[in-house]
Amino acid sequence: GQQVMQIPQYQHVQEGEDFTTYCNSSTTLSNIQWYKQRPGGHPVFLIQLVKSGEVKKQKRLTFQFGEAKKNSSLHITATQTTDVGTYFCESNTGNQFYFGTGTSLTVIP
Amino acid sequence: DARVTQTPRHKVTEMGQEVTMRCQPILGHNTVFWYRQTMMQGLELLAYFRNRAPLDDSGMPKDRFSAEMPDATLATLKIQPSEPRDSAVYFCASGADRGAQHFGDGTRLSIL
Repeated sequence: GQQVMQIPQYQHVQEGEDFTTYCNSSTTLSNIQWYKQRPGGHPVFLIQLVKSGEVKKQKRLTFQFGEAKKNSSLHITATQTTDVGTYFCESNTGNQFYFGTGTSLTVIP
Repeated sequence: DARVTQTPRHKVTEMGQEVTMRCQPILGHNTVFWYRQTMMQGLELLAYFRNRAPLDDSGMPKDRFSAEMPDATLATLKIQPSEPRDSAVYFCASGADRGAQHFGDGTRLSIL
């Protein structure tokens, strides 16, 4: 079964509103990677988190790894139409690789 | 910038035909993945290789699918015989150990 669950599946926001997607696991994760896939495109790596409680920022994007390393979040402040796409989390342990189901973000101008 | 190269970009063929998809990973990456993406199933891991050795192909229907890595610069995914339900986008990705995966542009496959 899938090791990481991602919510929500879909999110519609008005341009300028914030957006958050969550990745949860019942087991401790070694790491978390986040990807963005634009419509018609391929997943593009955004960031990797490996430390408990780690927080990383990329402009308007904030990535967090939970203290227990069982969850992670991606937060976008003041969304723009260029943020449209599907955001995936991914984790790997041993020889197993797991992608979340993705959160599809629609930004309404 | 180094990138993963996949060929062909698009493929339309009739059911029963053999389909071969190719991938050139980024030089120096030791892990190569094959994924299938559909609207219904999302992103599915079919198989992956580390240092050219197959490590996991449990996500792949083995009766018709096969994945190989004849050398460090080429990975292949074959479907024989193809069926309409195989229609999807197939992505190859490469990476170094447990770091980022770098995806190719994908092969958009349609089986009629």
